[in-house]
Amino acid sequence: ETGVTQTPRHLVMGMTNKKSLKCEQHLGHNAMYWYKQSAKKPLELMFVYSLEERVENNSVPSRFSPECPNSSHLFLHLHTLQPEDSALYLCASSRQNGSPLHFGNGTRLTVT
Amino acid sequence: KQEVTQIPAALSVPEGENLVLNCSFTDSAIYNLQWFRQDPGKGLTSLLLIQSSQREQTSGRLNASLDKSSGRSTLYIAASQPGDSATYLCAVQYGNKLVFGAGTILRVKS
Repeated sequence: ETGVTQTPRHLVMGMTNKKSLKCEQHLGHNAMYWYKQSAKKPLELMFVYSLEERVENNSVPSRFSPECPNSSHLFLHLHTLQPEDSALYLCASSRQNGSPLHFGNGTRLTVT
Repeated sequence: KQEVTQIPAALSVPEGENLVLNCSFTDSAIYNLQWFRQDPGKGLTSLLLIQSSQREQTSGRLNASLDKSSGRSTLYIAASQPGDSATYLCAVQYGNKLVFGAGTILRVKS
C-alpha cells in the first residue's frame, strides 16, 4: 500500500467518451501532482496543485482537465482524447516543496 | 532547458555483482535529487532522496551520491539480487517540478 490510491487501475475509452481518473491520499500532504508516462519516454509533469490551488500547468491540452476539491483528492477529467494519449497516468503527493513525492500505482489508459 | 539523462539505458548483470547507475542533469540549481524504482505495471517507489546541500545518502545496499557542480549523481547497488530487477529512475526537483530521466532497466540474473 503506497498511501496514494488511484482508480481505476485500467481504463479503455473511445475518442468521444468522457471519463475521470481519481487519486486519493491520506498522508497529510498538501501538494498533489499528475504525471504522464508514455512508452519509452521520461515521465512528464502535467499539473501541480499546492494547497488546492493549481500552481503548474505544463502546456497540457485542454482535453485534460484537473480538479482538486480538497487536499486529499485529485481528479483528471478526460474528454475527446486521442490515441496518442494512451499512457500510464501517475498521481503523486508531497508535504511541501523539497519533500519526497509519494506515487500511486497509476491508471493505465488506452484510447481506441 | 532542464534535462535529466540516465546511462546506461539497460543493464543485465549476474547476481552478486556491484553496479553503478549514472544520472546527469543540465541545470545545477536543484532543490533535491531522488532515485526511484519502478516495477512493471506499478507506480514509483522512492529509494533515496539527496538534498542539494548533501553529498550522499545510504539505505541498505543502496548508496546515492550527488555532485551538484558537475551535474551528476550515481546510484550504487551492492551485491545485486534478482529482486533488484526493475527500472531505476533519477529525478531532479526544481521548485514545484520533478524532472525525470528516461530510466535504466536493470535485470539481475540468478
